[in-house]
Amino acid sequence: GQNIDQPTEMTATEGAIVQINCTYQTSGFNGLFWYQQHAGEAPTFLSYNVLDGLEEKGRFSSFLRRSKGYSYLLLKELQMKDSASYLCAVLDSNYQLIWGAGTKLIIKP
Amino acid sequence: IAGITQAPTSQILAAGRRMTLRCTQDMRHNAMYWYRQDLGLGLRLIHYSNTAGTTGKGEVPDGYSVSRANTDDFPLTLASAVPSQTSVYFCASSPNREGNEQFFGPGTRLTVL
Repeated sequence: GQNIDQPTEMTATEGAIVQINCTYQTSGFNGLFWYQQHAGEAPTFLSYNVLDGLEEKGRFSSFLRRSKGYSYLLLKELQMKDSASYLCAVLDSNYQLIWGAGTKLIIKP
Repeated sequence: IAGITQAPTSQILAAGRRMTLRCTQDMRHNAMYWYRQDLGLGLRLIHYSNTAGTTGKGEVPDGYSVSRANTDDFPLTLASAVPSQTSVYFCASSPNREGNEQFFGPGTRLTVL
């Protein structure tokens, strides 16, 4: 079967750096997405990786290593507004997104 | 309209009733999707449409039907609601199905009693 694993919850301190890991086993691979979802709101797009390596976008970076079925999302200079769930999703061979359950990130002052 | 909208925002429904959740986008996206989101689980695809006039089944299609008569609208119908269909439903769209960012509507919170 298809599986996306990410930690259920993480806690970090304002101003610090946090890395959220995602491992996947899917039927084919056409890219990996990270989305942010604040409580009670819709998911919003953060990043897309289809080749190995690091994609940087401001305070957020996403890394992919396809041979390991592994990705991480790196958040720098954490702000209170970064408190949210972070969803990892893989586009499979049928071009359907397979979603992880999400990582709830709690930021403490 | 700017982006993708859903209606209603929330609904309480008696079991056995028929319900249609509406979704409209004004971005001229070809692909549209319906997901449900339950606590502790990832988003699960119910149905999708790669282009107007076509639809396909996702991971959890039973009890749901969709239609795609035009590019903008993608309604989801529950023919006879059951309590296990209590969930938050998100509609999403993307320019095409291949590797494009999906844009999500605000969601519909549905409770079936």
